[in-house]
Amino acid sequence: DTAVSQTPKYLVTQMGNDKSIKCEQNLGHDTMYWYKQDSKKFLKIMFSYNNKELIINETVPNRFSPKSPDKAHLNLHINSLELGDSAVYFCASSQGPSGFYEQYFGPGTRLTVT
Amino acid sequence: AQSVTQPDIHITVSEGASLELRCNYSYGATPYLFWYVQSPGQGLQLLLKYFSGDTLVQGIKGFEAEFKRSQSSFNLRKPSVHWSDAAEYFCAVGAKNTGNQFYFGTGTSLTVIP
Repeated sequence: DTAVSQTPKYLVTQMGNDKSIKCEQNLGHDTMYWYKQDSKKFLKIMFSYNNKELIINETVPNRFSPKSPDKAHLNLHINSLELGDSAVYFCASSQGPSGFYEQYFGPGTRLTVT
Repeated sequence: AQSVTQPDIHITVSEGASLELRCNYSYGATPYLFWYVQSPGQGLQLLLKYFSGDTLVQGIKGFEAEFKRSQSSFNLRKPSVHWSDAAEYFCAVGAKNTGNQFYFGTGTSLTVIP
């Protein structure tokens, strides 16, 4: 059973479109995250939710909107896609919001904006 | 502010040779420390973690890491590298309080030559 899953794995779209990425974890964790990994492999945290509550909201364009319908799911909606949004987006989860807990990562969604 | 530095962007080693990947952190107290590995096209997988106690920690796939408080380092080692170890390696620091829990280093890319 996949612990943290993301769909889709690949997403190719044109500038100006709106797209969503979905994430689900079956680990029973309370906390979920979205990360962006650029072409240089740098990982940047975007958002974090704990029990469906937003607890981390880094400096990210407001075209990015996360949504957590329940603590097992965290989706990422992106409006008006731009070329610079091309990256790999990772979802992760952890038992709790403290840095004590290791994070479990999904396989990533490679977004390409043309 | 917390930060993680991985001084080596890229390392090449021969199969069977020993490996050491460097990680230095900046944190006001004893941090939680992690090493993750990212194989090509995959998500991040936890190799090992340090919270307290014995400063030499063992992880999966034959990896170990040593916490040295005096040097603010948490270097990853493996006595004999296998070709399958070729991947991107990330060091991470977990903050003790809630908030921005994880700080990832910029990663070290490992190439293994036969």
